Amino acid sequence: AQKVTQAQTEISVVEKEDVTLDCVYETRDTTYYLFWYKQPPSGELVFLIRRNSFDEQNEISGRYSWNFQKSTSSFNFTITASQVVDSAVYFCALSADYGGSQGNLIFGKGTKLSVKP
Amino acid sequence: DTGVSQDPRHKITKRGQNVTFRCDPISEHNRLYWYRQTLGQGPEFLTYFQNEAQLEKSRLLSDRFSAERPKGSFSTLEIQRTEQGDSAMYLCASSLQGTGIETQYFGPGTRLLVL
Repeated sequence: AQKVTQAQTEISVVEKEDVTLDCVYETRDTTYYLFWYKQPPSGELVFLIRRNSFDEQNEISGRYSWNFQKSTSSFNFTITASQVVDSAVYFCALSADYGGSQGNLIFGKGTKLSVKP
Repeated sequence: DTGVSQDPRHKITKRGQNVTFRCDPISEHNRLYWYRQTLGQGPEFLTYFQNEAQLEKSRLLSDRFSAERPKGSFSTLEIQRTEQGDSAMYLCASSLQGTGIETQYFGPGTRLLVL
């Protein structure tokens, strides 16, 4: 079975604090992809990053960084020096190419991040 | 550069009525997905198309739901005899599928309220 767990339901921080959003996944497939999406109050899911299971290199993009560890089945997301505009619900998602199901995303329940000024 | 668009953005209907939603994918994207998102939950997969062929349907897609993608361009999702439990955000996504799993880009969603 495929599953994504985001244990943190809500996180509240003050602007300029660093914050890490946790994501733990389950899959039996050896080839899979992990994603992070941002959903601001407007509702549209905004793509942030995609990683495949063979690439465990951490990635940094501006204030965003991602830590992928296959040993712990985790794909955590850190925002450095958070800003009010980072306030949103963040979703971690998993996609595996198994059987006839190619590519549909399995989402976690999301973590609502509130950044206060 | 146009992204995925969905119409309408909001729909209020009475129980028992039929509703239809439209999704226009990013131009030249050959895959189109439908998801449903209820309050406080992540999106759940409903169905997807590769060009005009509907290749997979989730068990969430009861026989009251039907989706089409004529000519492999836009897609419609119809819900017949709506129930209050159908109230949700319906999200459409598209991707350009090659040999692997590609990134899905989402539209703004259609928020359905069934009274």
